[in-house]
Amino acid sequence: RKEVEQDPGPFNVPEGATVAFNCTYSNSASQSFFWYRQDCRKEPKLLMSVYSSGNEDGRFTAQLNRASQYISLLIRDSKLSDSATYLCVVIPITGGGNKLTFGTGTQLKVEL
Amino acid sequence: DTAVSQTPKYLVTQMGNDKSIKCEQNLGHDTMYWYKQDSKKFLKIMFSYNNKELIINETVPNRFSPKSPDKAHLNLHINSLELGDSAVYFCASSPGGGANYGYTFGSGTRLTVV
Repeated sequence: RKEVEQDPGPFNVPEGATVAFNCTYSNSASQSFFWYRQDCRKEPKLLMSVYSSGNEDGRFTAQLNRASQYISLLIRDSKLSDSATYLCVVIPITGGGNKLTFGTGTQLKVEL
Repeated sequence: DTAVSQTPKYLVTQMGNDKSIKCEQNLGHDTMYWYKQDSKKFLKIMFSYNNKELIINETVPNRFSPKSPDKAHLNLHINSLELGDSAVYFCASSPGGGANYGYTFGSGTRLTVV
């Protein structure tokens, strides 16, 4: 079983739609959670951290359910510029270093 | 002024060759990393150095050898290149010391082995 699992998509949605991505992780001792965004042929960039209480940044809302080992990302009022791959990222508890463990990513295509 | 810079951006080489990728960060971070993104777009850590000391060494063939001459530089040397080494290699840095924020990636080196 992969450490971090995501539906690869693609999710094709019209502009203005609301779309949600889910992610599950296998290591219950994982300590930190993030959503990264990766545009085609570019490096991954941090979109937002994910906290147990849930957090929002503009049109983006992230939720963490530690009991179910589940992370979600909700994008409201999708824009064409939201088209990208969204990577669920977990930092497991390890002996050293801050190793980012990535999911395989979910591809989003926002269309006119 | 690029925070994490990698060179070269593109590298095309023949099987069996030896090549190096260089990475430099000007953020004053203590920790640097190499990640590999394969043809299926899966990103996986290879190595991590904290202040020139190797702290993460995932299951990577020993043809791959990282070198950190100082905390601002982390280079990756690959011996006897194989077709399966074709991938995008990303360098990254973070403040370290238990901090899990401020991770910055370089723009990647696209390696093609022919």
